[in-house]
Amino acid sequence: DTEVTQTPKHLVMGMTNKKSLKCEQHMGHRAMYWYKQKAKKPPELMFVYSYEKLSINESVPSRFSPECPNSSLLNLHLHALQPEDSALYLCASSQESGGQNYNEQFFGPGTRLTVL
Amino acid sequence: GQNIDQPTEMTATEGAIVQINCTYQTSGFNGLFWYQQHAGEAPTFLSYNVLDGLEEKGRFSSFLSRSKGYSYLLLKELQMKDSASYLCAVRDHTGNTPLVFGKGTRLSVIA
Repeated sequence: DTEVTQTPKHLVMGMTNKKSLKCEQHMGHRAMYWYKQKAKKPPELMFVYSYEKLSINESVPSRFSPECPNSSLLNLHLHALQPEDSALYLCASSQESGGQNYNEQFFGPGTRLTVL
Repeated sequence: GQNIDQPTEMTATEGAIVQINCTYQTSGFNGLFWYQQHAGEAPTFLSYNVLDGLEEKGRFSSFLSRSKGYSYLLLKELQMKDSASYLCAVRDHTGNTPLVFGKGTRLSVIA
C-alpha cells in the first residue's frame, strides 16, 4: 500500500462549526504533514509530526488543531474558521522528516474545504 | 533565508521538449524534488536530485548543479496530459521547514 488517504474529499462548514479532517497511511512512515494550498499557489506547510510528536508548527492559528493518535493516523480539528481558510488541505507522509536520508513525501488527494 | 524561483507560466507544443528551470538559495541543501500537480489534485513525485548531474526517468529528466543553486526539469515528447503545475522543492536540513516549495510553473501544452 503506497497510498495516503484523506477524508472527506469535500467539506463545507460554517464559521461556528467544528469539524475534523482525517488522514491515513500504511506505509510505515514516521513523519506526517499538513499543508494548506490556495488556488494557483504552492502548498504551505502547517504542521509536521515526527514519531507521533508535533515537531513543527508554522505559526498556525489555534483554530486549527492537529492530532496524531498513532503512527498511521493524522487528524486536523477545525473550529471557528474564517472564510479565508477555504483551501485545499493536503496531508503527506514520508519515512522520516529530517536527517540525511532521501525522504520523498507522498501526498494524499486533499480535502477541499469551503468556509461560509 | 530561503528562496526558490521558477517561471510562473510556460506554454509548449504537443510533441516538443520543454525545460523548466529552478534556482534556489537556502541555508542548507539536502536534495531537490520536482512534483507534478494537476489542477485540483495532490502533488505527485517526479524526481529527486541530491548530487550534481542528470537523472533520467522515461520522458522526464532532472538536472542539478549545487554550485550554481540550479536545477531544471526536462519534459520530452510532450503530451496534452502534461499540462499541469510543476513544483520545485528543496530540502533544507538546517532550517525548520523540511521541504521548501517554489511557487510552481504552470505548463500549458497546446496542439
